[in-house]
Amino acid sequence: AQSVSQHNHHVILSEAASLELGCNYSYGGTVNLFWYVQYPGQHLQLLLKYFSGDPLVKGIKGFEAEFIKSKFSFNLRKPSVQWSDTAEYFCAESNAGNNRKLIWGLGTSLAVNP
Amino acid sequence: NAGVTQTPKFRVLKTGQSMTLLCAQDMNHEYMYWYRQDPGMGLRLIHYSVGEGTTAKGEVPDGYNVSRLKKQNFLLGLESAAPSQTSVYFCASAGTGELFFGEGSRLTVL
Repeated sequence: AQSVSQHNHHVILSEAASLELGCNYSYGGTVNLFWYVQYPGQHLQLLLKYFSGDPLVKGIKGFEAEFIKSKFSFNLRKPSVQWSDTAEYFCAESNAGNNRKLIWGLGTSLAVNP
Repeated sequence: NAGVTQTPKFRVLKTGQSMTLLCAQDMNHEYMYWYRQDPGMGLRLIHYSVGEGTTAKGEVPDGYNVSRLKKQNFLLGLESAAPSQTSVYFCASAGTGELFFGEGSRLTVL
């Protein structure tokens, strides 16, 4: 069965630190990949997505992610985090044949200290 | 453009009571989903629909029923609520792959 693994369950950083959240997926075929963010008390919002093309994807609020097919990875990065980035981050994937059925990781809780 | 709207936002039920959560989307999306979110368990798919008049089971469908009589609405029903159904419920819709989420409905079953 397809699965998505997020390695870090809880991350605590200070403002201005760099961020990298790991995400690995299992599907061996063509995939679509997503990172969603959930700010405290709010709904999930799309940060960025990869369907095809340039494997380095830029999203909102300075986030980017790199699709590395050989490693089945889609790690999320931000060079300098802010307190307002405190949130839960979810990685998800779907396969190209059923691109609206998403498989979700369990999420990573990020706390940024001012 | 409201996107995805869920009602109610909060509800407290007693064990055995029934209720319906309503999800409405105004983006003309074919796909709609109901998820539940519990601490440490991420998002779990309850039921989904690929179009008006169709529904399908997700990962955790037991104790829930759904209906999609109109394309824009997706209803989630609890026939006999149990404390294990205390959760935050999110509805989502999808057009070309990206999911759009509602703001969530927090349900407590006592």
